[in-house]
Amino acid sequence: AQRVTQPEKLLSVFKGAPVELKCNYSYSGSPELFWYVQYSRQRLQLLLRHISRESIKGFTADLNKGETSFHLKKPFAQEEDSAMYYCALRDAGGTSYGKLTFGQGTILTVHP
Amino acid sequence: DVKVTQSSRYLVKRTGEKVFLECVQDMDHENMFWYRQDPGLGLRLIYFSYDVKMKEKGDIPEGYSVSREKKERFSLILESASTNQTSMYLCASSRPGLTNTGELFFGEGSRLTVL
Repeated sequence: AQRVTQPEKLLSVFKGAPVELKCNYSYSGSPELFWYVQYSRQRLQLLLRHISRESIKGFTADLNKGETSFHLKKPFAQEEDSAMYYCALRDAGGTSYGKLTFGQGTILTVHP
Repeated sequence: DVKVTQSSRYLVKRTGEKVFLECVQDMDHENMFWYRQDPGLGLRLIYFSYDVKMKEKGDIPEGYSVSREKKERFSLILESASTNQTSMYLCASSRPGLTNTGELFFGEGSRLTVL
């Protein structure tokens, strides 16, 4: 069975401070990892995927297979980053019809 | 731009009532999903469908059923609503097969309260 764990329900930082949202996973196969974000009164949307190795809105995330982690990082947080963040996993084998397993979510609040 | 539309944003129902939650997508996606979103529990998959009339159980299917009669429409049914089904329900769709990048396109959600 696959499992995604986000240990922090709430995370508060001040504007300009670095931020790291933790994500750990448990999966025996070859996983693909994602971060999704939900801003206030908006739809849940994809932020970034590990396979793209991209930086979106200043956020990056590196897949660490040894530690089974996919932490989301940003060096300088902005107030507009305040949102709910979900880490998600899918089987890279292609038999799962694209379904994702999500973590519990972390609410990030960036104070002015 | 992909649009996933959930017909009801807010519903209030009584215990034992039958509840229908409707979801329509306009991008010809094969895959459609129903998740429920609860604080501290995240998103949990109820059912998904990869084709018309096809359905697969997710992680928490008990108390729910689904219907996919047309490609663009995926309905979630609560045969006899109970208070523990009070939740936010999210519908999503995604592209099929090799074009599937892992991105799910979500609706705005349907907040169901069962009294």
